[in-house]
Amino acid sequence: DGGITQSPKYLFRKEGQNVTLSCEQNLNHDAMYWYRQDPGQGLRLIYYSQIVNDFQKGDIAEGYSVSREKKESFPLTVTSAQKNPTAFYLCASSLGAGLSNQPQHFGDGTRLSIL
Amino acid sequence: GDSVTQMEGPVTLSEEAFLTINCTYTATGYPSLFWYVQYPGEGLQLLLKATKADDKGSNKGFEATYRKETTSFHLEKGSVQVSDSAVYFCALSGGPSNDYKLSFGAGTTVTVRA
Repeated sequence: DGGITQSPKYLFRKEGQNVTLSCEQNLNHDAMYWYRQDPGQGLRLIYYSQIVNDFQKGDIAEGYSVSREKKESFPLTVTSAQKNPTAFYLCASSLGAGLSNQPQHFGDGTRLSIL
Repeated sequence: GDSVTQMEGPVTLSEEAFLTINCTYTATGYPSLFWYVQYPGEGLQLLLKATKADDKGSNKGFEATYRKETTSFHLEKGSVQVSDSAVYFCALSGGPSNDYKLSFGAGTTVTVRA
């Protein structure tokens, strides 16, 4: 079955540590996205990529970094510069830019907590 | 810029009750509109969508009509079940000036009691 796989489901970070969240899709989608979800605040866009080897900052990119070396993979690194990283992180993909009527497909999320 | 405002929750109702979740939007051009549903501990799933004015999206008994004159996309279901308990998000897809990114509402938590 085609879909988006996020791993791990739960992740714990120590102070001063960088952690990387994995996101893989086999939908052959060009565009991929990372969101942060906090209680009562909906989803906020961290980074997005419309094509391999290219990505743009979203609304809350500070303290995060990404790479897009392969079409199917879009890992997110939460760096030590992110002072409040505890949240639920969601990865999504869509067919491609320029297609506003195409929905985004979401993974099941990674819950990050601080030890 | 583009934005979505949806009814604040939480909403609690009994089985077989009628559900309405209000959603209004601000956007330039002609955005596509979506409703997503999120069950506990999971990601978002597309519930329905509408891509132009007067379109009606429907799925699993839920419906929403794209009303350009009132800039609204209210979600309705005639008879809810306990399994409909979830968080519901209204979203719009921005145009080329916004890289076609999605703008989400804050979400409405719905609890259906047996």
